[in-house]
Amino acid sequence: DSGVTQTPKHLITATGQRVTLRCSPRSGDLSVYWYQQSLDQGLQFLIHYYNGEERAKGNILERFSAQQFPDLHSELNLSSLELGDSALYFCASSASEDGKRGYTFGSGTRLTVV
Amino acid sequence: AQKITQTQPGMFVQEKEAVTLDCTYDTSDPSYGLFWYKQPSSGEMIFLIYQGSYDQQNATEGRYSLNFQKARKSANLVISASQLGDSAMYFCAMSLTYGQNFVFGPGTRLSVLP
Repeated sequence: DSGVTQTPKHLITATGQRVTLRCSPRSGDLSVYWYQQSLDQGLQFLIHYYNGEERAKGNILERFSAQQFPDLHSELNLSSLELGDSALYFCASSASEDGKRGYTFGSGTRLTVV
Repeated sequence: AQKITQTQPGMFVQEKEAVTLDCTYDTSDPSYGLFWYKQPSSGEMIFLIYQGSYDQQNATEGRYSLNFQKARKSANLVISASQLGDSAMYFCAMSLTYGQNFVFGPGTRLSVLP
């Protein structure tokens, strides 16, 4: 157990629907990062939050949004889902804002859009 | 733009032998961090080793060492005394200031043969 908890582990939903992925960072970590891993795109950085504030955005679609709550857990909202959104979504946390010493990844949420 | 290249899609190594996984990177930022992660078939991402751009010595973590050649912009991972449990995907990654633009390479699939 890495200490980073992601729920649900698996999610199957239909096109056009909206889902919420949840991440609880490792105790004491203030930074939360979201990544999408698909077969054709590899690991793509989506967004970074530090202590409740957005710090950086990567290749995140406008249909996707995220937030980090006061208790430091984070949610990634995916709406108007398309078949191409099927992927493994990782959350990672880091104690520092710059993350330079490495991240701890959760086990991921596997999203399947049918 | 920063980029990570891993030129070996797949590698085979005999158990107990050493193996080197290649990674080259491209950035104009003088301050960066280089990471290696392991992703077994179960899907989780496991942090292995970190090298800062200003670190004078090559990083080592148990059987893992990072051969950092700054002038060549390479950060190869060396695994000594390979074990069957080392079979996995290995990703090289780089972060710049404040964890922004944390990019992953395409990965190398390592198979350890008995």
